[in-house]
Amino acid sequence: GAVVSQHPSRVICKSGTSVKIECRSLDFQATTMFWYRQFPKQSLMLMATSNEGSKATYEQGVEKDKFLINHASLTLSTLTVTSAHPEDSSFYICSARAGTVNTEAFFGQGTRLTVV
Amino acid sequence: KQEVTQIPAALSVPEGENLVLNCSFTDSAIYNLQWFRQDPGKGLTSLLLIQSSQREQTSGRLNASLDKSSGRSTLYIAASQPGDSATYLCAVRPTGGGNKLTFGTGTQLKVEL
Repeated sequence: GAVVSQHPSRVICKSGTSVKIECRSLDFQATTMFWYRQFPKQSLMLMATSNEGSKATYEQGVEKDKFLINHASLTLSTLTVTSAHPEDSSFYICSARAGTVNTEAFFGQGTRLTVV
Repeated sequence: KQEVTQIPAALSVPEGENLVLNCSFTDSAIYNLQWFRQDPGKGLTSLLLIQSSQREQTSGRLNASLDKSSGRSTLYIAASQPGDSATYLCAVRPTGGGNKLTFGTGTQLKVEL
């Protein structure tokens, strides 16, 4: 399958600072990228969907001003957690899809964010 | 609203045993169902994807079945190995191939020597 790379794999930041997470499709052009959040022992919850060159679509309950998503190219999307707080500590996973809605999405390795 | 449930939440088996993981979903209007493996602190690895028109898919020691009308899928693992220890997640995609995958909470599998 296609490769999606996420960076960093782990990050610890101080409360009030911002953190950027990158998601790259290495061997295909990702027209759509997805950002998920996973709390311990819970399932993945979709946060937002981004299409290259347009604004992200956020799921209900997700603060768009807190979780800034940029999808400026067909191989890169970024998620910035602004003014992070301890409750933002979580596992963030991206996935990327090429082509139409009927194509499979591939997942990155995830980023463990700890806000202290 | 689609809800996906996985039973059991955790399972421990001795090496070599065959086992079945269960996934149920409340809305049968799905486009496909996918089984993933997640190792601790890692991302997701896709194992099998079953389209709504299919009944099962096989890959090596893995076999996944789908009964859309009853809202159920099973993942069968034959001759389990310690390397199979991981969390297994199922996810359904709505009819029309929409963006949103709805995930189950997973089954944490431990295969012991």
